[in-house]
Amino acid sequence: GAVVSQHPSRVICKSGTSVKIECRSLDFQATTMFWYRQFPKKSLMLMATSNEGSKATYEQGVEKDKFLINHASLTLSTLTVTSAHPEDSSFYICSAVRDRVDTIYFGEGSWLTVV
Amino acid sequence: AQSVTQPDIHITVSEGASLELRCNYSYGATPYLFWYVQSPGQGLQLLLKYFSGDTLVQGIKGFEAEFKRSQSSFNLRKPSVHWSDAAEYFCAVGSKAAGNKLTFGGGTRVLVKP
Repeated sequence: GAVVSQHPSRVICKSGTSVKIECRSLDFQATTMFWYRQFPKKSLMLMATSNEGSKATYEQGVEKDKFLINHASLTLSTLTVTSAHPEDSSFYICSAVRDRVDTIYFGEGSWLTVV
Repeated sequence: AQSVTQPDIHITVSEGASLELRCNYSYGATPYLFWYVQSPGQGLQLLLKYFSGDTLVQGIKGFEAEFKRSQSSFNLRKPSVHWSDAAEYFCAVGSKAAGNKLTFGGGTRVLVKP
């Protein structure tokens, strides 16, 4: 079964609104989670590293004010796309590191469509 | 910096034939290597991974991959493909030294002919 859960799996929102995507580790604590983005027919690009209890570390070119990341607990990281525009439409996927076994688990991903 | 190259953008294979997907990585230390599969409109499914030990790794769905340090490669193979293997395949590299971030290759789309 899934050990990392993302919600929602699909969301449609209007331009200018904000949308939140959750990433939960279900049976382990994850001090570090990662957020990736996949453009249509493209590969996955790392957006940011989410660290529990501290600020996220963003990759170059990713707007931190637009993609807000909060890692409020050891099992939950959230990505909020603020003032969404159609070009933000994409597949967003998170991963969590299970430290003791050095294993990385991915969530199921979230399809965002901004209309 | 770590990087991954998947030289083949598309591969077409007949059902029942063998399949090999190439993956070359660039990383100074010992990498973690992964193969993921993504069906259209779906998320990522881990096929197999290499962290250490035996360089021939067995995965799910009959896939295997071999880590060759001398060639900086981690090619994915399947002896006999099924129509359900048609999907996008991604190779990824990571490491503890890089904070467990994964860098993905560009992907290889596999088409299966009946």
